[in-house]
Amino acid sequence: GQQVMQIPQYQHVQEGEDFTTYCNSSTTLSNIQWYKQRPGGHPVFLIQLVKSGEVKKQKRLTFQFGEAKKNSSLHITATQTTDVGTYFCAGPRSTTGANNLFFGTGTRLTVIP
Amino acid sequence: DARVTQTPRHKVTEMGQEVTMRCQPILGHNTVFWYRQTMMQGLELLAYFRNRAPLDDSGMPKDRFSAEMPDATLATLKIQPSEPRDSAVYFCASGLDTLRDNQGGYTFGSGTRLTVV
Repeated sequence: GQQVMQIPQYQHVQEGEDFTTYCNSSTTLSNIQWYKQRPGGHPVFLIQLVKSGEVKKQKRLTFQFGEAKKNSSLHITATQTTDVGTYFCAGPRSTTGANNLFFGTGTRLTVIP
Repeated sequence: DARVTQTPRHKVTEMGQEVTMRCQPILGHNTVFWYRQTMMQGLELLAYFRNRAPLDDSGMPKDRFSAEMPDATLATLKIQPSEPRDSAVYFCASGLDTLRDNQGGYTFGSGTRLTVV
């Protein structure tokens, strides 16, 4: 079945350093979404990517969708302590446009002040 | 801001008891998900409803779990009988279910933390 893997599983960075998490799917995705979950909190939607090769930016966050639509990345420039949390990518199980989201394994980011 | 409301926030129950978790999706959203989150398994999709109809419950143990949407303002997840391995945080999420309409993603509730002893 479809699997969505993320690497790394954990990342510790010094405040001000950059951070990147990678998401890889075993199948082509019609779209991919990214969520952030703070410790003790619930997942919060960040962004959706739909087009092959798409790049979107939100302030210090840059999201990319691979050309083959099987991988994606999230890059944070100059991390801050507010970036702490687990970042998940999520993709649909089917290619029909239905969005029964299948979540990746997540990358837990720790930012050391 | 519109919110997905889940009740209860915390539940401690004894093995064998029935547990019912409730979710009020955001008004106007046509899609509801139930997820279970544990350290070992991460976020697992249990059930997926569109326009109140169940579309995918393949991730749900059928012998003890059931999910329903009696109306558009209420989704329920029941476990009967509960077991210690069901201990987890259960999230409900709602949204709009098309690529065109889903630029806002899905909104999660705060979750129900279930402990079965």
